[in-house]
Amino acid sequence: KAGVTQTPRYLIKTRGQQVTLSCSPISGHRSVSWYQQTPGQGLQFLFEYFSETQRNKGNFPGRFSGRQFSNSRSEMNVSTLELGDSALYLCASSSLPDQPQHFGDGTRLSIL
Amino acid sequence: QQQVKQSPQSLIVQKGGISIINCAYENTAFDYFPWYQQFPGKGPALLIAIRPDVSEKKEGRFTISFNKSAKQFSLHIMDSQPGDSATYFCAALSRYGGATNKLIFGTGTLLAVQP
Repeated sequence: KAGVTQTPRYLIKTRGQQVTLSCSPISGHRSVSWYQQTPGQGLQFLFEYFSETQRNKGNFPGRFSGRQFSNSRSEMNVSTLELGDSALYLCASSSLPDQPQHFGDGTRLSIL
Repeated sequence: QQQVKQSPQSLIVQKGGISIINCAYENTAFDYFPWYQQFPGKGPALLIAIRPDVSEKKEGRFTISFNKSAKQFSLHIMDSQPGDSATYFCAALSRYGGATNKLIFGTGTLLAVQP
């Protein structure tokens, strides 16, 4: 069974641009969550989606948004990029909310 | 109250030794406690998890000990191997208000197992 797939693996952007990251969950998993990982703040919850609905959101500005499609694939978008948005963005999927989450290898976003 | 405190920040253990990583929490609504292992360039991988109705769970060389009254839980890695060298994260989740995937992570422990 294929794991969680995140694309692209690496991205370089400049301040003020916007970016879209993609996540394909494990087959059959309907719940997707996103996390940001940085050396200073560690792993922080961004948001979670189930059945195309955002069920929970972390403490991030409105520049961070996401969505889930009917096939459970998810995207997150960051607009007006800032230097502090440089991070590893991780996607995790589970069969249902509250079930064990399995992470992808992330997208490394660097802001110049 | 949403924090999970993890210690130590780094740990060096000899091959064959026992690695112990500790976590503490404040929020009594937390009711699911997983541990993740992360290698450089990879995402966190679920190792083992426990719910507060049991005090210990063992899977192979990995054991979680849970002390509900002290609001503490720990990961023990028996017979530590160089291949166990990685960063370990504890986490907690509260289902209060309904099922959710919102994990609160500890700050991580960098484990180095020396041959």
